[in-house]
Amino acid sequence: AQKITQTQPGMFVQEKEAVTLDCTYDTSDQSYGLFWYKQPSSGEMIFLIYQGSYDEQNATEGRYSLNFQKARKSANLVISASQLGDSAMYFCAMREGLRGGNKLTFGTGTQLKVEL
Amino acid sequence: DGGITQSPKYLFRKEGQNVTLSCEQNLNHDAMYWYRQDPGQGLRLIYYSQIVNDFQKGDIAEGYSVSREKKESFPLTVTSAQKNPTAFYLCASRATGWGLNTEAFFGQGTRLTVV
Repeated sequence: AQKITQTQPGMFVQEKEAVTLDCTYDTSDQSYGLFWYKQPSSGEMIFLIYQGSYDEQNATEGRYSLNFQKARKSANLVISASQLGDSAMYFCAMREGLRGGNKLTFGTGTQLKVEL
Repeated sequence: DGGITQSPKYLFRKEGQNVTLSCEQNLNHDAMYWYRQDPGQGLRLIYYSQIVNDFQKGDIAEGYSVSREKKESFPLTVTSAQKNPTAFYLCASRATGWGLNTEAFFGQGTRLTVV
């Protein structure tokens, strides 16, 4: 079974608009962490935002926010005021706790294209 | 500057040959990871290590081997048993401890091509 599911292979958004990238996860651990990374065409992986399973508030980092719905096991990334430089591949990842062997598992990614 | 260094950036291998990808970090991180990325695909976990002299198989370990003799180094060998090794390989490390909120830092990647 997939641990991390990203159902949107590609997304388009107009500059200055907000966009939501979906991510659902599966784990039996009570303690886990969720991450979003950005991968430009250069291939580097850039950390964007983190959400802990016990965090009661949604994480925010500048224009990035994480819409965390624990009961639904979803951790969607919201990018506000999109910029052309946001065009990249976006990956959702989960690090499980001890029961999951502390593995760090990634989804298949969403290719975001920001248009004028 | 602290970081993770992968070398080489590009690597060409003949069929049937073993090849080793280097990954070195000076971040004093305990955990290290190797991922494979195919074009337009996500990252798939090959091997990971949480401490020196210990490592675990990931989801696609067949045809690969690793060692962790030093904290700073986690080399990946792509063996001739790996039937389709052409891919982009990423190494990552992260600090470990009681909290889980430590992000992984990545190297720049090695693009391996079988010729």
